[in-house]
Amino acid sequence: EAQVTQNPRYLITVTGKKLTVTCSQNMNHEYMSWYRQDPGLGLRQIYYSMNVEVTDKGDVPEGYKVSRKEKRNFPLILESPSPNQTSLYFCASSFRGKGYTFGSGTRLTVV
Amino acid sequence: DQQVKQNSPSLSVQEGRISILNCDYTNSMFDYFLWYKKYPAEGPTFLISISSIKDKNEDGRFTVFLNKSAKHLSLHIVPSQPGDSAVYFCAASLIQGAQKLVFGQGTRLTINP
Repeated sequence: EAQVTQNPRYLITVTGKKLTVTCSQNMNHEYMSWYRQDPGLGLRQIYYSMNVEVTDKGDVPEGYKVSRKEKRNFPLILESPSPNQTSLYFCASSFRGKGYTFGSGTRLTVV
Repeated sequence: DQQVKQNSPSLSVQEGRISILNCDYTNSMFDYFLWYKKYPAEGPTFLISISSIKDKNEDGRFTVFLNKSAKHLSLHIVPSQPGDSAVYFCAASLIQGAQKLVFGQGTRLTINP
């Protein structure tokens, strides 16, 4: 089944403790992207990648890092999480922008 | 600065009637528009799209209308079904196939039996 898989689905962590949210897609898509969803703000793009080793900032990249060492994986790294990064995160992939396929989401709480 | 706006946070419609969801944008350079549907505990799923060279695109019960002069698009669902109850996001990009999608805030649609 074609899908984007994110892990974990739920995560509660403490301020400053580094964490990684993994994302993997099995559709051989070149494009991958991370979004966060917050009430009243919709989905905002954090980072995106057009191919292996090619990444760029979206609208809200502060406090996040990404890497794209393999085509299928696009992990999101929070080096020092803060409470304002409490949010619902979505990874997505697409074949050259022809409609993104989204993962099921990761609900992150930073206390 | 919200470049894509969905001014109605929620909408309630009777089953079988038409649902109309609206979206406004401010950037006249946007060239491609999409609608996504989201159920609780799931990621958004692609519904329908439209290029700026068109003013209408239809797919079954779903039709998207684009009014470039008003910078406005709408999604019509006819007839509305209970399974259509979800949050709907509109999104825009500068070119078709662009990495960067700008999303609206979302509208929660509830279809009443």
